[in-house]
Amino acid sequence: RKEVEQDPGPFNVPEGATVAFNCTYSNSASQSFFWYRQDCRKEPKLLMSVYSSGNEDGRFTAQLNRASQYISLLIRDSKLSDSATYLCVVNEIKAAGNKLTFGGGTRVLVKP
Amino acid sequence: NAGVTQTPKFQVLKTGQSMTLQCAQDMNHNSMYWYRQDPGMGLRLIYYSASEGTTDKGEVPNGYNVSRLNKREFSLRLESAAPSQTSVYFCASSESWARANSPLHFGNGTRLTVT
Repeated sequence: RKEVEQDPGPFNVPEGATVAFNCTYSNSASQSFFWYRQDCRKEPKLLMSVYSSGNEDGRFTAQLNRASQYISLLIRDSKLSDSATYLCVVNEIKAAGNKLTFGGGTRVLVKP
Repeated sequence: NAGVTQTPKFQVLKTGQSMTLQCAQDMNHNSMYWYRQDPGMGLRLIYYSASEGTTDKGEVPNGYNVSRLNKREFSLRLESAAPSQTSVYFCASSESWARANSPLHFGNGTRLTVT
């Protein structure tokens, strides 16, 4: 089993709709979590950190479920510009530093 | 505001050739990283440098060497390229390897093909 798993998609989303997808992680020692966005043939860019209580940034909402070991990302009122691959990143804090593990990404295509 | 700059953007090598990927950051970050990204595999850490003067192996270090030249620069060297090293390479930096919520800032990537 991969340490961090994501549904690769693609999720085909009508413009204006809501889309949500999850990322599961296997290491219960994981302590911090991030969502990155990666456009085609570009570098990943931080979208948002994920906090225990869940957090929102505009149309984006991230949730953490430690009991079931997954994080989620919800995008409301989808825009064409939201089309991208969303990477889940899980951080395990070790004595020597942090171990970041990336998921394979979930591709989202927003269509008019 | 350059952030993380890596060169070259594209490279084609023949098996057995060597090359160095260059990376520089202007954010005064302590930690720097080299990742490779392959379809369906996610980003995998090759080497990292927690601070100037230190380097450590990541998940997939075989076939690579690194140099942390100074606080700004972190280079990745392929001594004898193999087709399995065909990939997209990303350099990244963060304020500190030790801080849990220290996000990564990535360079634009290098697309390497080894024939």
